[in-house]
Amino acid sequence: DAGVTQSPTHLIKTRGQHVTLRCSPISGHKSVSWYQQVLGQGPQFIFQYYEKEERGRGNFPDRFSARQFPNYSSELNVNALLLGDSALYLCASSFGLAGDYEQYFGPGTRLTVT
Amino acid sequence: GQSLEQPSEVTAVEGAIVQINCTYQTSGFYGLSWYQQHDGGAPTFLSYNALDGLEETGRFSSFLSRSDSYGYLLLQELQMKDSASYFCAVRDNSDTPLVFGKGTRLSVIA
Repeated sequence: DAGVTQSPTHLIKTRGQHVTLRCSPISGHKSVSWYQQVLGQGPQFIFQYYEKEERGRGNFPDRFSARQFPNYSSELNVNALLLGDSALYLCASSFGLAGDYEQYFGPGTRLTVT
Repeated sequence: GQSLEQPSEVTAVEGAIVQINCTYQTSGFYGLSWYQQHDGGAPTFLSYNALDGLEETGRFSSFLSRSDSYGYLLLQELQMKDSASYFCAVRDNSDTPLVFGKGTRLSVIA
């Protein structure tokens, strides 16, 4: 079975641009969470979606948005990119809500903002 | 909110045992998890403790003391491939997201 997949793997954008990152969860998993990981730090929670509804949001500005599709895949959108948005963006899936203690992470999208 | 403290770096010799500690502060508590992340890779789940005591999975064990808000990950018979970053993570309740510590970078040397 395929694990969590993310696209693209790497991305270079210019300040002020917009970016869309994509995630496909493990088959059968209904919950997708997004994390931002800056070099040398732990993943920081951005969003969680379950059954196409937002179930949690971290301390990120409104420039960050996300959605989940009927097939449970998800997109993370970031507008008006800043240099500080450069990071590894991780998607994690689980079968149910956050109560599932094991999350399965994708390989991430490395975003560089210049 | 939550906060977690873990050492930033640990170095150990191949074949030895190493313990990575984690202390946490949370308003509620719904278990302590450990994840491993190799450079350039995704975090992978190692263990979960909801109750006090030791959980063993092969060469890895994890311990929790809820009264002390403390846990540790124990790695035995260290191998070079264990060189990675290790993160502890907690959540307040079943509906809140995981909050990760800053990670401990383990270097295994010959």
